[in-house]
Amino acid sequence: TQLLEQSPQFLSIQEGENLTVYCNSSSVFSSLQWYRQEPGEGPVLLVTVVTGGEVKKLKRLTFQFGDARKDSSLHITAAQPGDTGLYLCAGVNSGGSNYKLTFGKGTLLTVNP
Amino acid sequence: DAGVTQSPTHLIKTRGQQVTLRCSPKSGHDTVSWYQQALGQGPQFIFQYYEEEERQRGNFPDRFSGHQFPNYSSELNVNALLLGDSALYLCASSFRDRGFYEQYFGPGTRLTVT
Repeated sequence: TQLLEQSPQFLSIQEGENLTVYCNSSSVFSSLQWYRQEPGEGPVLLVTVVTGGEVKKLKRLTFQFGDARKDSSLHITAAQPGDTGLYLCAGVNSGGSNYKLTFGKGTLLTVNP
Repeated sequence: DAGVTQSPTHLIKTRGQQVTLRCSPKSGHDTVSWYQQALGQGPQFIFQYYEEEERQRGNFPDRFSGHQFPNYSSELNVNALLLGDSALYLCASSFRDRGFYEQYFGPGTRLTVT
């Protein structure tokens, strides 16, 4: 069974601070995705990283995929209250035309004004 | 363009009962996946439907079954409900013919089993 471990589980910071959350696995994935989920809603895809060592930036968010494609990190610069939410990483397994996601438990981020 | 829609929004059932949840995919999408998200957990993959057939299945018992219709909409059925089935059930749709796919999630159905 493939597992994704996310850390920290909870994070509460002040507006303007920087933060990094981590996603680690003992397994290799075809690609890895990051989602943000707000209360009462489904997860919303932020980014997909495919190549080992890949770095993607989305405004104040920087995503990195580990060289061995087993781990990833999400760095937020100058966090804002609107960044509050549950951040989920998901490993993608694809074989032929079939695929499925394995999610971590998530990091619940609270950004206080 | 409507996104993924799910119904009902909330549902309360009693142990032993059966429940059917519904999902309409985003326009242009042909694949539907179902996930169970327990409180404080990440979503867990239940199964995936494409061309009206179950293509992949996660580690869920046979009490969980599904169906996909010709218009790509889908149903999730759970029989003999247990207290542990209480969770947010998420539907996600995608278009299969992508090099890597992107799933769009619906808002979910909150199922409470008493």
